[in-house]
Amino acid sequence: QSVLTQPPSVSGAPGQRVTISCTGSSSNIGAGYDVHWYQQLRGTAPKLLIYGNNNRPSGVPDRFSGSKSGTSASLAISGLQAEDEADYYCQSYDNSLRVWVFGGGTKLTVL
Amino acid sequence: EVQLVQSGAEVKKPGESLKISCKSSGYSFTTYWIGWVRQMPGRGLEWMGITYPGDSETRYSPSFRGQVTISADKSISTAYLQWSSLKASDTAMYYCARPTDGGVDYWGQGTLVTVSS
Repeated sequence: QSVLTQPPSVSGAPGQRVTISCTGSSSNIGAGYDVHWYQQLRGTAPKLLIYGNNNRPSGVPDRFSGSKSGTSASLAISGLQAEDEADYYCQSYDNSLRVWVFGGGTKLTVL
Repeated sequence: EVQLVQSGAEVKKPGESLKISCKSSGYSFTTYWIGWVRQMPGRGLEWMGITYPGDSETRYSPSFRGQVTISADKSISTAYLQWSSLKASDTAMYYCARPTDGGVDYWGQGTLVTVSS
């Protein structure tokens, strides 16, 4: 049971927009800690996709965007492409555990 | 250029000990946290714990406290993850990672640990 809850899977057709939710609590997202998102392609290490709730590292397309409200956050991917098929994870800090925590991960399938 | 280079894959038997490493370069090792992330086969990412090489402060996620030891040798800019007695359930990919306030900006390539009799 992950501290941050994500849907196990989402899917969309090429060109469509999908969103992935990340639900936390008052000890992590709700306490004001930033949410970061990672993309993990099959067989590779995770890659930072969104940091500080809604910021993209250099090289990440603007098709990827993040938002945060209350105890939840979301990752949106617009203009879906086949290469977006991957696992996506949210991450924040939890002040009761005093460590960073991940969501359970969401598998994105591009139909 | 920041790099985290992990030691190679390991195959061990239950009950054996193991220490894997993560060699850092390209940044000041003592001024960043560094930690370990487990990914069991077909499963998600789990933070195991983090250490601050500057003062050796180490924090463990509750699930991993007492199960592993995380350490760092600042003289050679290397972090370690060790087990005193491996179990089959320790079979996983282990990533070292550099967490910052802006997320984990650098990851190692991963070390696959297989524990089987």
